[in-house]
Amino acid sequence: SQQGEEDPQALSIQEGENATMNCSYKTSINNLQWYRQNSGRGLVHLILIRSNEREKHSGRLRVTLDTSKKSSSLLITASRAADTASYFCATLLLPNSGYSTLTFGKGTMLLVSP
Amino acid sequence: DAGITQSPRHKVTETGTPVTLRCHQTENHRYMYWYRQDPGHGLRLIHYSYGVKDTDKGEVSDGYSVSRSKTEDFLLTLESATSSQTSVYFCAISETRGSYNEQFFGPGTRLTVL
Repeated sequence: SQQGEEDPQALSIQEGENATMNCSYKTSINNLQWYRQNSGRGLVHLILIRSNEREKHSGRLRVTLDTSKKSSSLLITASRAADTASYFCATLLLPNSGYSTLTFGKGTMLLVSP
Repeated sequence: DAGITQSPRHKVTETGTPVTLRCHQTENHRYMYWYRQDPGHGLRLIHYSYGVKDTDKGEVSDGYSVSRSKTEDFLLTLESATSSQTSVYFCAISETRGSYNEQFFGPGTRLTVL
């Protein structure tokens, strides 16, 4: 079963508007990460938030984490057409033993129109 | 792409044939991963490696094997390809940063099994 689930599956906005994507997960995590994927390309890491953090900023990106609700949100402010991409959340679980690996959600497709 | 290359980038093969995909990195990272990406499923981990000759299974390892005889190369083999293995395959690496697991992705290999 998928650990992380993004919402909405697709989002269409105009340039200059803000875009908000949400991610929910099921089990306790070490950290949560957001990635971006342009069409036909590999994923690019955007931002990482640890389980003891509540909010992080990076440029036009703002990520929040609510561990009590097991959810995170990614806000892109003042969006640009170049922000058009798919966005994925990924969770690093707390390992019982051995190595822990990232589990990715299915992604949100963001379309920013000029 | 953090010095990660994948080969081939595109491949069309027939059911029942063996296929090997190669991931090559130039930055001596310890951890390497193979994912597949399919519509409606996001990214799913096939196998990963935490060192030379050290590998482990991921979520969807059936029908796949891997080898890592050198730090820089991580090979994914489909012993007898099936149509269900038609997918886009991504290799990733992660730097060792304590318990963080930020990953860097290669450009992907599009595999079609007829």
